[in-house]
Amino acid sequence: AQKITQTQPGMFVQEKEAVTLDCTYDTSDPSYGLFWYKQPSSGEMIFLIYQGSYDQQNATEGRYSLNFQKARKSANLVISASQLGDSAMYFCAMREFYAGGTSYGKLTFGQGTILTVHP
Amino acid sequence: IAGITQAPTSQILAAGRRMTLRCTQDMRHNAMYWYRQDLGLGLRLIHYSNTAGTTGKGEVPDGYSVSRANTDDFPLTLASAVPSQTSVYFCASSDGGGFANTGELFFGEGSRLTVL
Repeated sequence: AQKITQTQPGMFVQEKEAVTLDCTYDTSDPSYGLFWYKQPSSGEMIFLIYQGSYDQQNATEGRYSLNFQKARKSANLVISASQLGDSAMYFCAMREFYAGGTSYGKLTFGQGTILTVHP
Repeated sequence: IAGITQAPTSQILAAGRRMTLRCTQDMRHNAMYWYRQDLGLGLRLIHYSNTAGTTGKGEVPDGYSVSRANTDDFPLTLASAVPSQTSVYFCASSDGGGFANTGELFFGEGSRLTVL
């Protein structure tokens, strides 16, 4: 079974509007972390935001927020006030903590969503 | 500037040839990883190393080997390249992660490999 699923191959948004990129995950581990990365057309991978499974509050970083719904196993990325520079591929990823508490951070990635911001 | 350096950035290779992708980090991270990126499949883990002297297999290890002789270097070798290994390869490192930190991955710029 897919551990990380991004069901939107492509998304379009108007500049200055908000957009939500979907991510669902599958794990039986009670301790895990969820990540979002951005990959612009230049190819580099840029870390955006992190949510730990025990975090009570949804993570926020500037215009990025993570809508964490633990019971639904979803970790959607919300980008507010979209900018042209937000056009990129976005990846959701998960790291599971194994029994014993510490895992060296192997991340499992979703398939990615290409976001296009229109002027 | 601290980070991860990959080489080469791009390579065209004949099938059957041996190829080593180099990866060096200067952040003193214990853990290092090799991923391949293919359209529609995201990034898939090839091999990883939790610390110098140890390596492990990821999701798609066949046809690849790695070594970790020291903390900084983590080369990926294709012993006999095949066209299905055409991909973009990313090296990454992390401080491992635990309950006190995120363990986010820091990525190199990627190596685009084409096997003909």
